[in-house]
Amino acid sequence: AQSVTQPDIHITVSEGASLELRCNYSYGATPYLFWYVQSPGQGLQLLLKYFSGDTLVQGIKGFEAEFKRSQSSFNLRKPSVHWSDAAEYFCAVDPRGGGSQGNLIFGKGTKLSVKP
Amino acid sequence: EPEVTQTPSHQVTQMGQEVILRCVPISNHLYFYWYRQILGQKVEFLVSFYNNEISEKSEIFDDQFSVERPDGSNFTLKIRSTKLEDSAMYFCASSNTNYGYTFGSGTRLTVV
Repeated sequence: AQSVTQPDIHITVSEGASLELRCNYSYGATPYLFWYVQSPGQGLQLLLKYFSGDTLVQGIKGFEAEFKRSQSSFNLRKPSVHWSDAAEYFCAVDPRGGGSQGNLIFGKGTKLSVKP
Repeated sequence: EPEVTQTPSHQVTQMGQEVILRCVPISNHLYFYWYRQILGQKVEFLVSFYNNEISEKSEIFDDQFSVERPDGSNFTLKIRSTKLEDSAMYFCASSNTNYGYTFGSGTRLTVV
């Protein structure tokens, strides 16, 4: 079955430390890949997306993500976390083809807490 | 920066009542979507809408649900007879192609 896996439910990092949030997907072809962030009580804000080309994509707020086809992964990274980055992060996939009209399939999310 | 606007932000309704959730997509977008997020669970696709008709819907989107674009600006989700399990955050999204969505801030629906 098609799925998006975010293996870490909750991660706590110290402010200034580096961050990596994991995302794996199970699809035959290369899907379109997205990372969204949701602050408490807020909507979903797009951090970055990958469709094709350079496998390292830059997003807003200093985030980047790397697509690794061999690992079916699209991990999100940030070199130095700020307290304002505390939020929930969702990896999402647009599987493309097979009748899909572009609906996104989301992972369960990773909640990020930042220690002072 | 253009936004997708959803109203109300929070709605409480009694079980069995009809609710209409409203969305104003970005004006030049052509594709519209509804997603929901039950508390503590992942965001799930409900329905996509293009050219005044449903283009795809999920298993969740049963006969109790309907969508409409009643005028040139609004996009609504109606739940005819709400159930307790319909309690969730409902997100509207729009795009000018069928990727690259902009999401609204959501409507929290509480069914009591």
